[in-house]
Amino acid sequence: AQKVTQAQTEISVVEKEDVTLDCVYETRDTTYYLFWYKQPPSGELVFLIRRNSFDEQNEISGRYSWNFQKSTSSFNFTITASQVVDSAVYFCALRPNTGNQFYFGTGTSLTVIP
Amino acid sequence: GAGVSQTPSNKVTEKGKYVELRCDPISGHTALYWYRQSLGQGPEFLIYFQGTGAADDSGLPNDRFFAVRPEGSVSTLKIQRTERGDSAVYLCASSKDRGGNGYTFGSGTRLTVV
Repeated sequence: AQKVTQAQTEISVVEKEDVTLDCVYETRDTTYYLFWYKQPPSGELVFLIRRNSFDEQNEISGRYSWNFQKSTSSFNFTITASQVVDSAVYFCALRPNTGNQFYFGTGTSLTVIP
Repeated sequence: GAGVSQTPSNKVTEKGKYVELRCDPISGHTALYWYRQSLGQGPEFLIYFQGTGAADDSGLPNDRFFAVRPEGSVSTLKIQRTERGDSAVYLCASSKDRGGNGYTFGSGTRLTVV
């Protein structure tokens, strides 16, 4: 099966707190790609990061960091020192090397309270 | 253009009517995708074009849905005999390749069938 699970439906944090968004995936492919997208109220999906299945190195980009662990099939996303502008719905997605589609999770709605 | 453009941004139609949704991808992007996003859900794959041909239409829910891309650029998603269950945001995305590097999404067309 090809599946992405984002168990957290909604999260609220106070500004400047750190927050981690969980993502667990299932795939039968040995080569695959994992993504995070941000969907602000305007509706457009904004690309944040892409990871290959053969590269488990974690990545940091400013206040954003990603923890990829193949052993637990997880690809978690942490925002450090959250800001109100981080409020959005965040989607984790899987792109198996076979097939043509992305498989999205159901999203986590993050609200950062000033 | 600079981004993926979708028109109209909103469409309200009566049950049973025919609708067309347009997507203008980024210039030079050969791959084009349609996804459907229902309220509170992640985007779900509908169809993938590589150039002018529909390389994968396995996500189209039934034969009321059809999409074309006659010149390998602009695509039109066509829905016949619309039903209330078709109400959703229809997202278009384009990429240079099959999507391993991620898509660029448009802002979507919000379709409401009344």
